[in-house]
Amino acid sequence: DADVTQTPRNRITKTGKRIMLECSQTKGHDRMYWYRQDPGLGLRLIYYSFDVKDINKGEISDGYSVSRQAQAKFSLSLESAIPNQTALYFCATGSPVTAQYFGPGTRLTVL
Amino acid sequence: AQSVAQPEDQVNVAEGNPLTVKCTYSVSGNPYLFWYVQYPNRGLQFLLKYITGDNLVKGSYGFEAEFNKSQTSFHLKKPSALVSDSALYFCAVRDGASGGSYIPTFGRGTSLIVHP
Repeated sequence: DADVTQTPRNRITKTGKRIMLECSQTKGHDRMYWYRQDPGLGLRLIYYSFDVKDINKGEISDGYSVSRQAQAKFSLSLESAIPNQTALYFCATGSPVTAQYFGPGTRLTVL
Repeated sequence: AQSVAQPEDQVNVAEGNPLTVKCTYSVSGNPYLFWYVQYPNRGLQFLLKYITGDNLVKGSYGFEAEFNKSQTSFHLKKPSALVSDSALYFCAVRDGASGGSYIPTFGRGTSLIVHP
């Protein structure tokens, strides 16, 4: 089984809808991250969490919220989706000294 | 503040030739450096890292990277490219200075195209 799983893998939605992307990991790490990937812009950090009670904003958190339900689960919500949130979203986990382990990504399209 | 730059959006190389994907960084403390590869429709996969020790780091799939402190660079290399190496490559850095959040910063990515 994959170390980091994301659901759904693909989602098409309409402007104004609420969307939740879910992430689960079996690596046992405390830290989890949500990134957004856009062509030519690389990976940009949306939110990160050091443990269940420690959640922090990244460089592009506006329009997004997160919930850390357990050590292994970290979900990302778009309260009212807009077209410029169309992107590829990645969840990751890792410790301060190891590399990060990424999920397969969720391709989100907002019409 | 930490930053990383990948100066080439795309690198083209013929199969069998050596390849280099460039990365330069800026940190206030000692750098922790990483390379990742992303194949189409997949997440990022870890290739190799430098934290301390030998300047030449060997990683997965025959890749290696050379840490150069004076030039603040961490270029990814492979002696003989394969068509299957064609992918998007990301360099990442995080500052090893104490008191930081230890969150890595990613470059914009370099598309490697290996021609048959």
